[in-house]
Amino acid sequence: DADVTQTPRNRITKTGKRIMLECSQTKGHDRMYWYRQDPGLGLRLIYYSFDVKDINKGEISDGYSVSRQAQAKFSLSLESAIPNQTALYFCAAGRGRLGNEQFFGPGTRLTVL
Amino acid sequence: AQSVTQPDIHITVSEGASLELRCNYSYGATPYLFWYVQSPGQGLQLLLKYFSGDTLVQGIKGFEAEFKRSQSSFNLRKPSVHWSDAAEYFCAVGGIGTASKLTFGTGTRLQVTL
Repeated sequence: DADVTQTPRNRITKTGKRIMLECSQTKGHDRMYWYRQDPGLGLRLIYYSFDVKDINKGEISDGYSVSRQAQAKFSLSLESAIPNQTALYFCAAGRGRLGNEQFFGPGTRLTVL
Repeated sequence: AQSVTQPDIHITVSEGASLELRCNYSYGATPYLFWYVQSPGQGLQLLLKYFSGDTLVQGIKGFEAEFKRSQSSFNLRKPSVHWSDAAEYFCAVGGIGTASKLTFGTGTRLQVTL
């Protein structure tokens, strides 16, 4: 299984601040994903990347940006955080030939005051 | 567009009882189907997956799921639930042509009473 790590695990910030969430994986998977989880809404895709030069918007990309610094690293930024971005954020990694199977990090709980 | 429906938001079962969590999907071709489990404070762990072949798939922790194309369903089952199975369960669908994107259901929270 992929070893996916996320930092920080918890973050409290204020409205208008810029925040970066980091994700790294050690198994060489080419595809990486950022999701947010809200109660009752399940997981929704924010951005995904098939390789360093291929970044794609998901269903809820407004207010977010990403950077794929290397195959193993995929960062999510909130340029100007707002309270409705308070959520649990998950990074995932996977390979397409595995039929979209994805391996998830432990999550980052973000609170925007 | 692909979609997943988990009609049960919350289910409570007694330890030792059987369990079935429902999942219905919408997808225009042959789907890839997954069940993930999220324990409190944890990330998502893959329980099992269906790509092709035998429609009854076995997963970890004693779980199994059956793919029924005619009903567009992929229900998760366990014959005897343990207290440690209390968690939230997510069904997901993907497939060729979805650009490796998974669509998740809204989840079913399982409570186990002793």
